[in-house]
Amino acid sequence: GESVGLHLPTLSVQEGDNSIINCAYSNSASDYFIWYKQESGKGPQFIIDIRSNMDKRQGQRVTVLLNKTVKHLSLQIAATQPGDSAVYFCAENITPSGTYKYIFGTGTRLKVLA
Amino acid sequence: AAGVIQSPRHLIKEKRETATLKCYPIPRHDTVYWYQQGPGQDPQFLISFYEKMQSDKGSIPDRFSAQQFSDYHSELNMSSLELGDSALYFCASSLSSYNSPLHFGNGTRLTVT
Repeated sequence: GESVGLHLPTLSVQEGDNSIINCAYSNSASDYFIWYKQESGKGPQFIIDIRSNMDKRQGQRVTVLLNKTVKHLSLQIAATQPGDSAVYFCAENITPSGTYKYIFGTGTRLKVLA
Repeated sequence: AAGVIQSPRHLIKEKRETATLKCYPIPRHDTVYWYQQGPGQDPQFLISFYEKMQSDKGSIPDRFSAQQFSDYHSELNMSSLELGDSALYFCASSLSSYNSPLHFGNGTRLTVT
């Protein structure tokens, strides 16, 4: 089936620590994944993406890891800051019949403690 | 940089009324997506368009319809509104090239009373 899920609904992290948000996906045919950050009252904001031919990609303070063997995706945020407090979603790109469809999983709320 | 523009920002309607939501994609983006997000829920895919043609369809009720116009803006039309339609409605746009991320607008909050 088509589903993307996250292990933890809420993650509390001390300011300055590293955060790790996990995501499991079920569609082995998905080959493109995106992490989004959503703040209250705003639309999802693109953070970082990764293609299935990669297992790691780094951005500014963020790293995405992809393990296709176990269909697992993670987002690592280094030196977590108060501004990182938000809900984080992973999304997978399912491309049936040459069209484009992105499925979102249940978000993880990240709370940064001062 | 220009972003996805959605209007209106907020909309209040009564049951059985109709509503029209508008979306203006990022310039040069040829693909538009609509998502519905209930409180505390993940965005649910409704429908997408590429070059003014419907591309894919998700969990969109038959009471809803959408289209993409020649200037690439899109409208989501919702009829016979129900209380359960109250949600945030997001539009996103992307380039049609594969592995092009979606960029979202800030949504329309629809409240049905």
